[in-house]
Amino acid sequence: NAGVTQTPKFQVLKTGQSMTLQCAQDMNHNSMYWYRQDPGMGLRLIYYSASEGTTDKGEVPNGYNVSRLNKREFSLRLESAAPSQTSVYFCASSGERASQETQYFGPGTRLLVL
Amino acid sequence: ILNVEQSPQSLHVQEGDSTNFTCSFPSSNFYALHWYRWETAKSPEALFVMTLNGDEKKKGRISATLNTKEGYSYLYIKGSQPEDSATYLCASNPSDDYKLSFGAGTTVTVRA
Repeated sequence: NAGVTQTPKFQVLKTGQSMTLQCAQDMNHNSMYWYRQDPGMGLRLIYYSASEGTTDKGEVPNGYNVSRLNKREFSLRLESAAPSQTSVYFCASSGERASQETQYFGPGTRLLVL
Repeated sequence: ILNVEQSPQSLHVQEGDSTNFTCSFPSSNFYALHWYRWETAKSPEALFVMTLNGDEKKKGRISATLNTKEGYSYLYIKGSQPEDSATYLCASNPSDDYKLSFGAGTTVTVRA
């Protein structure tokens, strides 16, 4: 049972380049989330997907797009990377609403934008 | 955006000693409080989810209490061990939905 997996683990981009971060979960969870983590700050929610076919903005959605490809997969796309998007990105999933259940996190993707 | 604060930012504990630290959240907007343990180079792992005022939860040597009326939760580590070294995150829901607001964490270092 792999839980939540993320690819890539590390990426370096130049300003203006695009990339997609992949996330998959094998726990049959309905809800999936993308967070970013910056030094001295808590995890901040970028986007979430309550169920297959739905996505909603979180706290810091600007500069990102997401796709809930199916129940297992939730991808995060940076269309034109900026240095301010240098961060560690975590994907998470939960069975139901975050108010009722814990979230299970992936190993993270470290992104450096030059 | 919910203002969730944790204190202290970091602390050092001697092996065998007990410690505790705080998570504060707006008491006027509360639905659930989560605690996560985050070891370096790993993913955050869930410890507790608490919803009721007065809730107390325990997992091994780690326990947590919740006061929703005054807006705080304490996490306790009894008899700290080096493997307890980690960053402990709390997160709160202001409503019954999908958005968790995380604090910046308390980093605990246990010295042998």
